[in-house]
Amino acid sequence: DQQVKQNSPSLSVQEGRISILNCDYTNSMFDYFLWYKKYPAEGPTFLISISSIKDKNEDGRFTVFLNKSAKHLSLHIVPSQPGDSAVYFCAAISTSGNEKLTFGTGTRLTIIP
Amino acid sequence: GAVVSQHPSRVICKSGTSVKIECRSLDFQATTMFWYRQFPKQSLMLMATSNEGSKATYEQGVEKDKFLINHASLTLSTLTVTSAHPEDSSFYICSANPLGHEQFFGPGTRLTVL
Repeated sequence: DQQVKQNSPSLSVQEGRISILNCDYTNSMFDYFLWYKKYPAEGPTFLISISSIKDKNEDGRFTVFLNKSAKHLSLHIVPSQPGDSAVYFCAAISTSGNEKLTFGTGTRLTIIP
Repeated sequence: GAVVSQHPSRVICKSGTSVKIECRSLDFQATTMFWYRQFPKQSLMLMATSNEGSKATYEQGVEKDKFLINHASLTLSTLTVTSAHPEDSSFYICSANPLGHEQFFGPGTRLTVL
């Protein structure tokens, strides 16, 4: 039972354009969401997070949008840079629980120069 | 961000041997650490939650006698893969959260069992 899903296994975007990565969840107890970037053979790097009391959080080139009614979140990267090429995972937590992260399946983003 | 280290980064061992992986929080104390494994082209799967001073909590399907976890101090958790077999070959990653809900991950350990 995949509670956090990233339906696009891969995405290619031209350098300088906007990259939009999507994530859906099914567990209504999730109330905190995170995005991680991962290179092969390395641990994930935290990018940005959002609480369910917000619908948007922005940090530099990264913006996360949350639509609670649709149980959907997205990560926008603009402008996209070649160094953004990596696998991106969304993750969710129920903060009233035990802080365990539930990860999505990941989206491989390739930025085309 | 917070720094989490892992050692070793890579280990190759013979089938039947035990392997110990260390996870350290370098600039903060962590009463809880998490251990994950990742198979090629798959997501990260939580194996267990390591609790300082008490027993680890294992996820369903993870053998606690196979994957021994010890959280002896506020900055160190160890994962020992006992009697390793080729199917245990994987990428093992630990994490901890210094403050709030954001978990910070170690660089991972690639285990190859021959």
